[in-house]
Amino acid sequence: QVQLVQSGAEVKKPGASVKVSCKTSGYTFTNHAVHWVRQAPGQRLEWMGWVNGGNDGTDYSRKFQGRVTMTRDASASTVYMELSSLRSEDTAVYFCSRVDSSGSYSHDYWGQGTLVTVSS
Amino acid sequence: EIVLTQSPGTLSLSPGERATLSCRASQSVSRSYLGWYQQKPGQAPRLLIYGASSRATGIPDRFSGSGSGTDFTLTISRLEPEDFAVYYCQQYGSSPRTFGQGTKVEIK
Repeated sequence: QVQLVQSGAEVKKPGASVKVSCKTSGYTFTNHAVHWVRQAPGQRLEWMGWVNGGNDGTDYSRKFQGRVTMTRDASASTVYMELSSLRSEDTAVYFCSRVDSSGSYSHDYWGQGTLVTVSS
Repeated sequence: EIVLTQSPGTLSLSPGERATLSCRASQSVSRSYLGWYQQKPGQAPRLLIYGASSRATGIPDRFSGSGSGTDFTLTISRLEPEDFAVYYCQQYGSSPRTFGQGTKVEIK
């Protein structure tokens, strides 16, 4: 079955960087993109960007341009999201999700979420 | 960027009742690329509807979606106890993908 398993919770100081991993299984990694969505406490879901499973192509929300980098390791079926210059407003749960590139183009499978806390 | 506005903010209903949730877009959603997600506390979202009206795999037929252009609706025909949650709409027809602010369906 399709699974996305994310790395554990992180606590970072303002100005630092965080790198979250998302290991996928149960499907052909190169056939689908993986997107990142975050949710600050009590807030709506916020789309950050995506990385193409079949190549290194990416697309980022303008809000995060220059601060976010999404990469993939096809040999490990794993995607990474690195966010730099962290500030308190980046405290959130970060989710990776598979987007079905062959049908719905929607987020059909999700990771369990990774809590990133930014605090001095 | 397309802004999605959901209404109402909270819906208080009893099990067995019908729920109607609205999602309005600030501009037309390309190809009706509009999805609905259910989220329970401490969990990841779950895809319910894609393409405005297609049910995702394994979703019960009490969930239905409709609409096009700028106005979309999610209907839950008869609420089950497990349906009380927050529901988000999302457009994916243009970048950036955006979500609505959510509608909480709570037990009356």
